Amino acid sequence: NAGVTQTPKFQVLKTGQSMTLQCAQDMNHNSMYWYRQDPGMGLRLIYYSASEGTTDKGEVPNGYNVSRLNKREFSLRLESAAPSQTSVYFCASSEGQSRGEQYFGPGTRLTVT
Amino acid sequence: GQQVMQIPQYQHVQEGEDFTTYCNSSTTLSNIQWYKQRPGGHPVFLIQLVKSGEVKKQKRLTFQFGEAKKNSSLHITATQTTDVGTYFCAGRSMNRDDKIIFGKGTRLHILP
Repeated sequence: NAGVTQTPKFQVLKTGQSMTLQCAQDMNHNSMYWYRQDPGMGLRLIYYSASEGTTDKGEVPNGYNVSRLNKREFSLRLESAAPSQTSVYFCASSEGQSRGEQYFGPGTRLTVT
Repeated sequence: GQQVMQIPQYQHVQEGEDFTTYCNSSTTLSNIQWYKQRPGGHPVFLIQLVKSGEVKKQKRLTFQFGEAKKNSSLHITATQTTDVGTYFCAGRSMNRDDKIIFGKGTRLHILP
């Protein structure tokens, strides 16, 4: 059991470039989440998917899009990266939106110059 | 909207001293979870509290959920260097949206 995996681990982008962060879980969880973590700001929810086929905005969705490709995979896309999107991005999953703890991936450290 | 405030933001303690972090919500919660994040790592689930007034213990860690289900605390007795990290509370709303909101975390630093 790998749990939650994320790729890449590190990425440097220039302003205006696009990229997709990949996330996969092998725990058969229904719900998946994308967070960003900035110093002193804690974890802020970008988007979540309560179940396969659904996605909803979180606290800070602007500048991002998501795709719940199937039950295992939930990707986060930056269409036109900005320096304000420099952050550590964590993917997480849970059994359901209303139950169970969240399991986090190892994170992607993204720098936008 | 729902807010979850966590204090203090930072705490430095001598090894062997006790440590407490507090979490307060602006709204009543259905449950609260606690996570620990080691430096350079990812958050790891510690515990979930559901009932009003609930107290749970894990070795030197004691977790409490307030009677009104709007606040919670994590107390560590006799801290050790392995306790270093950031502790987050995460409250789940009782509203229809059922969202979970993380506090900003308390970073614990242990002085040897």
